[in-house]
Amino acid sequence: GAGVSQSPSNKVTEKGKDVELRCDPISGHTALYWYRQSLGQGLEFLIYFQGNSAPDKSGLPSDRFSAERTGGSVSTLTIQRTQQEDSAVYLCASSLYPLADTQYFGPGTRLTVL
Amino acid sequence: QQQVKQSPQSLIVQKGGISIINCAYENTAFDYFPWYQQFPGKGPALLIAIRPDVSEKKEGRFTISFNKSAKQFSLHIMDSQPGDSATYFCAASRSEAGGFKTIFGAGTRLFVKA
Repeated sequence: GAGVSQSPSNKVTEKGKDVELRCDPISGHTALYWYRQSLGQGLEFLIYFQGNSAPDKSGLPSDRFSAERTGGSVSTLTIQRTQQEDSAVYLCASSLYPLADTQYFGPGTRLTVL
Repeated sequence: QQQVKQSPQSLIVQKGGISIINCAYENTAFDYFPWYQQFPGKGPALLIAIRPDVSEKKEGRFTISFNKSAKQFSLHIMDSQPGDSATYFCAASRSEAGGFKTIFGAGTRLFVKA
């Protein structure tokens, strides 16, 4: 079956613009995660969804970042008024159920803020 | 208490040699320790994982050694091959209300010379 997909694969935007990043998890996976990977850095946890609700938003770096998930499937990460320090690869992962050990990652969206 | 410290940051190994990557954690509540492998332009993928009730797990050329008292674990890649060249992330996870919290190390870039 299809894996986790993300779009766009690359996004270049100007400082101050809003961007939306999309994640389509593996069908049937109830848990969905967003991570940020800066150049040469590890994976920074942003937010976790269980179904449509987000029990853990602790990783969102500022109120410019928000995410939603509708229908227990597709999720959108929105960054408002982008800053240059937001440039990174944004990775989405899903798992079969909330307590599942294995997360399946998408290929990521590379965001560049000029 | 939430950190997972990974070393080295980068590693160069000759083909056929042993690659060793080390990780240390602080929070004794962690109960699952996966390793992820990431190739350029791809999302991380689960490679091998261990629970703290065993001290070693082997899958093919990949072995995790786990030292619960020292709160350390390591990945050994035997007979390293050029195709193993990738970035490796260790992680530590714990179950908590509403889901599974995973903390990733900063990653190790492995290059295997032919």
